[in-house]
Amino acid sequence: GENVEQHPSTLSVQEGDSAVIKCTYSDSASNYFPWYKQELGKRPQLIIDIRSNVGEKKDQRIAVTLNKTAKHFSLHITETQPEDSAVYFCAATEGQAGTALIFGKGTTLSVSS
Amino acid sequence: DSGVTQTPKHLITATGQRVTLRCSPRSGDLSVYWYQQSLDQGLQFLIQYYNGEERAKGNILERFSAQQFPDLHSELNLSSLELGDSALYFCASSVGLNGQGVYGYTFGSGTRLTVV
Repeated sequence: GENVEQHPSTLSVQEGDSAVIKCTYSDSASNYFPWYKQELGKRPQLIIDIRSNVGEKKDQRIAVTLNKTAKHFSLHITETQPEDSAVYFCAATEGQAGTALIFGKGTTLSVSS
Repeated sequence: DSGVTQTPKHLITATGQRVTLRCSPRSGDLSVYWYQQSLDQGLQFLIQYYNGEERAKGNILERFSAQQFPDLHSELNLSSLELGDSALYFCASSVGLNGQGVYGYTFGSGTRLTVV
């Protein structure tokens, strides 16, 4: 089955800096890669996603890149703010026809002002 | 409120016992997913139901079982509980067969299970 590895497990940055979180996946047939943000004590929420036919996608301060050959994808957050502090999870579908998402173990991002 | 309702919010029980967690998906969503979240394992996929039928299975223990009823609510049954089963159990729902829509998965608030 699909295996998703996520790094780093913790990340501390100063307000205004950029943050990058990287994930690798094992199933070359996977075709959908979302990122979820979980604030302390709250439920995970979708923040951005990318499909296998796209190399990069941006939404204001966040962007995701995908390298299908290397089977890795990354989340980039620019001009970080204290409210970006949360746990971020990457995920991938299990195979091309997979319907469930397999999540990485998460990255705890701390943005200090 | 996300529209996905999970009950109870907290549950404390003893080892060896059996509990049932309940999830009502967002109105119109046909898929229900169960995830276990522990500190060191992130979000572990357990099982998915779509319109009443089991669709996908993840790392679900044999002591655990689930079902989705005609009204689309789902229950996760955990039996012969062990200390290591203590975790936050999330239910999520999506409109279609997968969570690839505009809103992705809609997660509930979770059930915090403590086994003592």
